[in-house]
Amino acid sequence: GESVGLHLPTLSVQEGDNSIINCAYSNSASDYFIWYKQESGKGPQFIIDIRSNMDKRQGQRVTVLLNKTVKHLSLQIAATQPGDSAVYFCAENWHNQGGKLIFGQGTELSVKP
Amino acid sequence: EAGVAQSPRYKIIEKRQSVAFWCNPISGHATLYWYQQILGQGPKLLIQFQNNGVVDDSQLPKDRFSAERLKGVDSTLKIQPAKLEDSAVYLCASSLGRMNEQFFGPGTRLTVL
Repeated sequence: GESVGLHLPTLSVQEGDNSIINCAYSNSASDYFIWYKQESGKGPQFIIDIRSNMDKRQGQRVTVLLNKTVKHLSLQIAATQPGDSAVYFCAENWHNQGGKLIFGQGTELSVKP
Repeated sequence: EAGVAQSPRYKIIEKRQSVAFWCNPISGHATLYWYQQILGQGPKLLIQFQNNGVVDDSQLPKDRFSAERLKGVDSTLKIQPAKLEDSAVYLCASSLGRMNEQFFGPGTRLTVL
């Protein structure tokens, strides 16, 4: 069925530490994954994406890791800042269904100063 | 570049009343999406338009929800009659095409009493 979920609903880290947010997905045919950041009162904002033919992709302070063997996705944020506090969602893009986006439940990241 | 615009930002109605939401996508974006986001959950796709045609409305409760994009630009989503469980944030997103990055609006927070 359609299911993208997160292991941890909340994550609290100290400013400057690294954060790791995890996501499990169920559709082994998914070929494209996206991480979104959603701040209070705003819509989701694209952070980084990764295609299924890759196992790692790096952006500015963020890295996404994909393990297709265990259907697991993670988002690593280096040197976490207070501005990183938000809810983070992973999502699968079902290209074979016209680009349909299936979101997970979300993890709330709280950064302590 | 202007982002996705939505109005109203907040709406409170009583059950069995009707409500309508409006979305103006980013200029030039052919694909438009409506999502429902219940508190604590990830967004769920309700309907997807390609220009003025419906691509996917499989998760739209068609007995009470309707949406249109008559001229292939802005769109309205209507609920008639509303139920308590319709309380959620309704997000509009747009993309250049079905396989391109989706940009989200700020959403409309609906409370049904």
